[in-house]
Amino acid sequence: KQEVTQIPAALSVPEGENLVLNCSFTDSAIYNLQWFRQDPGKGLTSLLLIQSSQREQTSGRLNASLDKSSGRSTLYIAASQPGDSATYLCAVYFSSGSARQLTFGSGTQLTVLP
Amino acid sequence: DAGVTQSPTHLIKTRGQQVTLRCSPKSGHDTVSWYQQALGQGPQFIFQYYEEEERQRGNFPDRFSGHQFPNYSSELNVNALLLGDSALYLCASSLATGASRQPQHFGDGTRLSIL
Repeated sequence: KQEVTQIPAALSVPEGENLVLNCSFTDSAIYNLQWFRQDPGKGLTSLLLIQSSQREQTSGRLNASLDKSSGRSTLYIAASQPGDSATYLCAVYFSSGSARQLTFGSGTQLTVLP
Repeated sequence: DAGVTQSPTHLIKTRGQQVTLRCSPKSGHDTVSWYQQALGQGPQFIFQYYEEEERQRGNFPDRFSGHQFPNYSSELNVNALLLGDSALYLCASSLATGASRQPQHFGDGTRLSIL
């Protein structure tokens, strides 16, 4: 079964700290991996998309890495701000089988304390 | 350029009733996928529509059905509502060509509460 796991479920850090969110997946046969941000009661905002042939993607203070062989991805947030407080979701587009959907982890709820 | 739009924003129903949720994809997109997100969980795939046909289905009962219209918009219908159907329903759109290389774009969702 293709699964995506995110640990920890919740994380609290002081403002200004650099932090890493983790995502692991069970099958290395993937098309891409996408990181999303979700504010309470809201939809999903796409942050970064990493293709299977790529090792990392950067956008502003965000950097996402991908290691297919170990089934892991990390989202690095530099100089965290209270406005970064949200739930971060990792989603994988697996390429094996007939699947055409994203498989999501349960998310990491991030709180940045002022 | 309008993104993915969903309606209504919130909906309250009682057990046994039926509900219809609507989604308009991002301009230029032709594929619509629906996801159910229970509180504290990641979204779960319900089904995907392309060329007005259901192309892929997740592990959801037949009470969940859908439709895609010629303008690519889509509806999600749920019959015989159960308390467990309470969730945020998300619509995502994408372009079928090169789908594996593109991000999916999500709407803000419809919050469905079953009493």
